[in-house]
Amino acid sequence: AQSVAQPEDQVNVAEGNPLTVKCTYSVSGNPYLFWYVQYPNRGLQFLLKYITGDNLVKGSYGFEAEFNKSQTSFHLKKPSALVSDSALYFCAVRDMVNRDDKIIFGKGTRLHILP
Amino acid sequence: EAGVTQSPTHLIKTRGQQATLRCSPISGHTSVYWYQQALGLGLQFLLWYDEGEERNRGNFPPRFSGRQFPNYSSELNVNALELEDSALYLCASQRRSEAFFGQGTRLTVV
Repeated sequence: AQSVAQPEDQVNVAEGNPLTVKCTYSVSGNPYLFWYVQYPNRGLQFLLKYITGDNLVKGSYGFEAEFNKSQTSFHLKKPSALVSDSALYFCAVRDMVNRDDKIIFGKGTRLHILP
Repeated sequence: EAGVTQSPTHLIKTRGQQATLRCSPISGHTSVYWYQQALGLGLQFLLWYDEGEERNRGNFPPRFSGRQFPNYSSELNVNALELEDSALYLCASQRRSEAFFGQGTRLTVV
């Protein structure tokens, strides 16, 4: 069965600095990887996904993520953080070998951008 | 294109009652996922329906059940409500492996 880990409950970054939110995964086959963002009292919004191809994936709001197969990681990054980026971020994985498997989410990382 | 819609937005029930939550997927999407987001616990996978069939189920007791209708909308039923069932319940529909989420139903059990 697949799993995904977000080792940090919270990440604090000063506005204008680069940010990284970490994610590692475990699947039996090739992974589909996702990042979602959740603002207070809202559903999840899709940021980006990795299916295949270029290891660096660009997404919404200037975010990008790097797929690293050897380290089984898919860290979310942004070169320059904005206060409006403060939210709860979820990494998710789906194992594409077993098509009956579901999308599993990490426990989330709360990102605080300090003005 | 209308997004995933969930109803009701908020639901207050007393312990022991039953709750019914509804989800309408994006037009053309045949897969519906249900997740529970309890405070501090992230998203816990509940159920996955595809083409009217239950494809997978998370580690929840049988009093959590659901179904998917011919128009691909879905219903989540929670029987014999317990206080710890209080959570945000999120529904998502899927296209090309990307899940689109509704705004959720906030269930409060008192």
